[in-house]
Amino acid sequence: DAKTTQPTSMDCAEGRAANLPCNHSTISGNEYVYWYRQIHSQGPQYIIHGLKNNETNEMASLIITEDRKSSTLILPHATLRDTAVYYCIVLPYSGGGADGLTFGKGTHLIIQP
Amino acid sequence: DAGVIQSPRHEVTEMGQEVTLRCKPISGHDYLFWYRQTMMRGLELLIYFNNNVPIDDSGMPEDRFSAKMPNASFSTLKIQPSEPRDSAVYFCASKLSGGEDTQYFGPGTRLTVL
Repeated sequence: DAKTTQPTSMDCAEGRAANLPCNHSTISGNEYVYWYRQIHSQGPQYIIHGLKNNETNEMASLIITEDRKSSTLILPHATLRDTAVYYCIVLPYSGGGADGLTFGKGTHLIIQP
Repeated sequence: DAGVIQSPRHEVTEMGQEVTLRCKPISGHDYLFWYRQTMMRGLELLIYFNNNVPIDDSGMPEDRFSAKMPNASFSTLKIQPSEPRDSAVYFCASKLSGGEDTQYFGPGTRLTVL
C-alpha cells in the first residue's frame, strides 16, 4: 500500500505556481520523499526528492515540513506541458541499491490556459 | 543517451497467443524494472533485476508471466498464454546502483488482448 495521501485532482492557471501537497504521516527516519510525474501516454518521469531539507532543481522545488509528515511540490511557473499525474512516493534509503517504486493514485494536475 | 527503449510500442493479440515485450535499459544501468499500468490497479511493480539476476518477482501475477534478462542490455517480459485481463501498458525502467534512487522509464508498450 502507498504510504502517501494526495488530492485526486487540482487546477492551476498557466504561469502561476502550482503547489501539490502530499501527506506522509507515517514516514520513517530513513525514508525519502520522491516525486514523479506521468504525462499522458508517457512513462513516469522523475522530478525531485528530499529527506528533510527543502530541495530545488531546474524542474521544481520540494518543501518538507519540519516533522516530515507532509510535503509540497512547487512548480514555480506552470505551463500547459505540466499537465500530468503527479506521484508522491516514500522510499527508504537503499544504500545505493534499489527497490521498486510503489505508486499511489497521484494528483491529476490540470493547467488551465 | 537514447534512454530506455521498449518494443513494440503497441501490441494487439488474441487470447491464448504468446506475447513478448522487449526492453533495452540505459547503457551502464545495472537495475531493470518491469511495471504494469491499468485503470483499475494503477502502476504496479512486476519484477526487477540487478546485474541480470531477478531480485524480486513477487509482483508477477501468475505463472503465465515470465521475465528474463540474458545480458545487461536486454530484457524480455513474456506472457503465455495471454488473456484479455492482461491488457495494460507495460513499462520498463532502469537505474544505476550506487547513486540516488532515480528510475528512468521507457515509453511503455500498450498491450491489447482480444
